[in-house]
Amino acid sequence: NAGVTQTPKFRVLKTGQSMTLLCAQDMNHEYMYWYRQDPGMGLRLIHYSVGEGTTAKGEVPDGYNVSRLKKQNFLLGLESAAPSQTSVYFCASSTMDGGDTFGSGTRLTVV
Amino acid sequence: AQSVTQLGSHVSVSEGALVLLRCNYSSSVPPYLFWYVQYPNQGLQLLLKYTTGATLVKGINGFEAEFKKSETSFHLTKPSAHMSDAAEYFCAVSRAGGTSYGKLTFGQGTILTVHP
Repeated sequence: NAGVTQTPKFRVLKTGQSMTLLCAQDMNHEYMYWYRQDPGMGLRLIHYSVGEGTTAKGEVPDGYNVSRLKKQNFLLGLESAAPSQTSVYFCASSTMDGGDTFGSGTRLTVV
Repeated sequence: AQSVTQLGSHVSVSEGALVLLRCNYSSSVPPYLFWYVQYPNQGLQLLLKYTTGATLVKGINGFEAEFKKSETSFHLTKPSAHMSDAAEYFCAVSRAGGTSYGKLTFGQGTILTVHP
């Protein structure tokens, strides 16, 4: 049972490039989330989804887009990467009683 | 709006000593409360959670936390620290009910150091 799997684990982008982060969960969870983690700031919610085909903005959505075409997958896209998006990105999923299960993270550097 | 404040960005204890990590929250509705642990270069692992019912919650690795509504606190404790407890700990809050399940607001984190 893999839980939540994120790909890739590491990525270096040049300013202006685009990329997609993939999150897959095998727990049949309805809810999925993308967070970013920056030193001294904890984790902040970027976007989330409460079911297949639905997405919503979180606390820091600017510069990111998401899609949830299949229940098990949640994609995070950066259309034009900026140095301020250098961060560690975590995907998570949960049931209705909360308590997210997290992936192992994607470390993204934008130069 | 919800918020979480973790008192102390760094806490240092000796092996075998009591661990106390402090968390206060602000929420206008009944909260769900969580503690997570993060080891270096890893994701977050759920230690314990409070949703409803008993206010003293026991989690993994010997940790427990008590929900005190009057103090808006959810402090994490462990009677005897072990070297393997060294990690960063995050307190988080979500709203009880609706589509807010799992939408977590995190504190800034507390790095726990355990000395031999």
